[in-house]
Amino acid sequence: DVKVTQSSRYLVKRTGEKVFLECVQDMDHENMFWYRQDPGLGLRLIYFSYDVKMKEKGDIPEGYSVSREKKERFSLILESASTNQTSMYLCASGAFGGIGRPYNSPLHFGNGTRLTVT
Amino acid sequence: AQTVTQSQPEMSVQEAETVTLSCTYDTSESDYYLFWYKQPPSRQMILVIRQEAYKQQNATENRFSVNFQKAAKSFSLKISDSQLGDAAMYFCASLQNRDDKIIFGKGTRLHILP
Repeated sequence: DVKVTQSSRYLVKRTGEKVFLECVQDMDHENMFWYRQDPGLGLRLIYFSYDVKMKEKGDIPEGYSVSREKKERFSLILESASTNQTSMYLCASGAFGGIGRPYNSPLHFGNGTRLTVT
Repeated sequence: AQTVTQSQPEMSVQEAETVTLSCTYDTSESDYYLFWYKQPPSRQMILVIRQEAYKQQNATENRFSVNFQKAAKSFSLKISDSQLGDAAMYFCASLQNRDDKIIFGKGTRLHILP
């Protein structure tokens, strides 16, 4: 079974702190994603990565950065946390292939990190 | 732009009845996939069903089936013989093969009435 592990289930941070959210997957997936989930807004894509050291902005990248130094790990960084970044953060991984590559595995999600910034 | 729209924030259905959740999407790509994900109260996202855009036949997984209307860019989910365990948030999503970007809709909360 695919396992996507997010390092914390709940996190409370202060405004201005630098926050690291870690995500590790054990299926050698090329693709990894970070979403935030807010009531009434669904899942919004922050950043995604299709390979080591590669990253692409999603729809709401402002205030966030990411790091993918190893294939299995995708970190989301809040450089200076603000109260409007209080949210549920979901990490996911998959292997979709892209042009010329076969679709391999759908998206698998971690259990989420509920971040509160005070 | 790649978009996914779910116009029903909440729905209710009687146990054992059939319910259809709506989803429309927009993409300029010809090579894409569509998905329905379920998020129960445990908040673990679970893949319900997927559809390849190049396939005309509607996907089916046990009690779950889709009505894929490519020209109308519509992708609805039908749940037959609804069960209490089907109560959850349901998200529609699209994947563009060109850039491996996956976008989700805002979700539909489904209530099952005993």
